[in-house]
Amino acid sequence: AQSVSQHNHHVILSEAASLELGCNYSYGGTVNLFWYVQYPGQHLQLLLKYFSGDPLVKGIKGFEAEFIKSKFSFNLRKPSVQWSDTAEYFCAVNPYDFKAAGNKLTFGGGTRVLVKP
Amino acid sequence: NAGVTQTPKFRVLKTGQSMTLLCAQDMNHEYMYWYRQDPGMGLRLIHYSVGEGTTAKGEVPDGYNVSRLKKQNFLLGLESAAPSQTSVYFCASSYSPGNEQYFGPGTRLTVT
Repeated sequence: AQSVSQHNHHVILSEAASLELGCNYSYGGTVNLFWYVQYPGQHLQLLLKYFSGDPLVKGIKGFEAEFIKSKFSFNLRKPSVQWSDTAEYFCAVNPYDFKAAGNKLTFGGGTRVLVKP
Repeated sequence: NAGVTQTPKFRVLKTGQSMTLLCAQDMNHEYMYWYRQDPGMGLRLIHYSVGEGTTAKGEVPDGYNVSRLKKQNFLLGLESAAPSQTSVYFCASSYSPGNEQYFGPGTRLTVT
């Protein structure tokens, strides 16, 4: 079965610091990759996605992620965080051959990010 | 355009009680999903639907039932609630299974 691992459960940093959140998945086939964000008290929103092409993808609010196929990784980065980036971040993987893999989007456990003003 | 809506937002049940959560989407999406979110475990898929009149089991289907009588609605039922079902429940929809999923605001359920 496919799985998604997010290495850090909690991250605390100061404004203007750089952020990198790790995400690794276990699935041998072609995948679609997503990062979602959940701000306090709100529902999940899409930050960015990767389907194919340039492995460096840019999303909303200055976030970007790099797909490294050889490492089965899709790490999220932001060069300079703001207090408003305080949220929980989820990596998610959807196999391209979704029917063979049970037609589901698999989420990582999430990383809670606290940005101190 | 409301996107994905869920009712109710909060609910407290006693063990053994039943309830139904309603999810509605106005984006004409074929695919709809029910997830539960528990601390440290991310979101886990309960059931999903690939179109009106169809449902299928996800990762954690036990204790839940679903129905998709209309394309825009996806209902999640708990026939006999248990404390282990205390969680936040999210509904989502998508145009196709590989594409972005749009999430509702969630329902916080507590079973005592």
